[in-house]
Amino acid sequence: SQQGEEDPQALSIQEGENATMNCSYKTSINNLQWYRQNSGRGLVHLILIRSNEREKHSGRLRVTLDTSKKSSSLLITASRAADTASYFCATVDSTLTFGKGTMLLVSP
Amino acid sequence: DAGVTQSPTHLIKTRGQHVTLRCSPISGHKSVSWYQQVLGQGPQFIFQYYEKEERGRGNFPDRFSARQFPNYSSELNVNALLLGDSALYLCASSLRTGEAGANVLTFGAGSRLTVL
Repeated sequence: SQQGEEDPQALSIQEGENATMNCSYKTSINNLQWYRQNSGRGLVHLILIRSNEREKHSGRLRVTLDTSKKSSSLLITASRAADTASYFCATVDSTLTFGKGTMLLVSP
Repeated sequence: DAGVTQSPTHLIKTRGQHVTLRCSPISGHKSVSWYQQVLGQGPQFIFQYYEKEERGRGNFPDRFSARQFPNYSSELNVNALLLGDSALYLCASSLRTGEAGANVLTFGAGSRLTVL
């Protein structure tokens, strides 16, 4: 079963715009991670945020975590065509449980 | 240093057959996890192994089995294949398992299984 659920399912933007994806989950977590997947290939780890953190930055990525609302968001600033991919949140207790993902399309 | 390697990359089987998928983790990684990803869905957890012992099992039937070898490589076996087993099977390795904040996974490119 899927623990996290990303929203929106698909997002289409122009290069230079910001992209925001949201993730909601159901049970308590140790940390939450975001991964990226290019067209059916393996997933690549982007960023990890611990349950006692509220915000984290990595380059053009900004992740927030609200444990009271059981939700997280991933913001990609100044998007590029190369950011086109599917993005998944994964909640962590002893194993990683992934959501269904958000498909991001960035057009030049 | 090589990443997580999986073989084969693609394979086609017929219903009722058996399949073995292989995974070599990153050097130094002792934990291997297997995920099934059906088209349009997120990866679903199948198994996790650490130090050759099963540490977690997802909601999959007994037709699915796995093992980890002394060199930390792993095999996923699926018996009596069904059409619904068609998916991308992903292997991921990590340094260790079960510790808060420690479970960052490095994924292989996957084995795409088609069952006809």
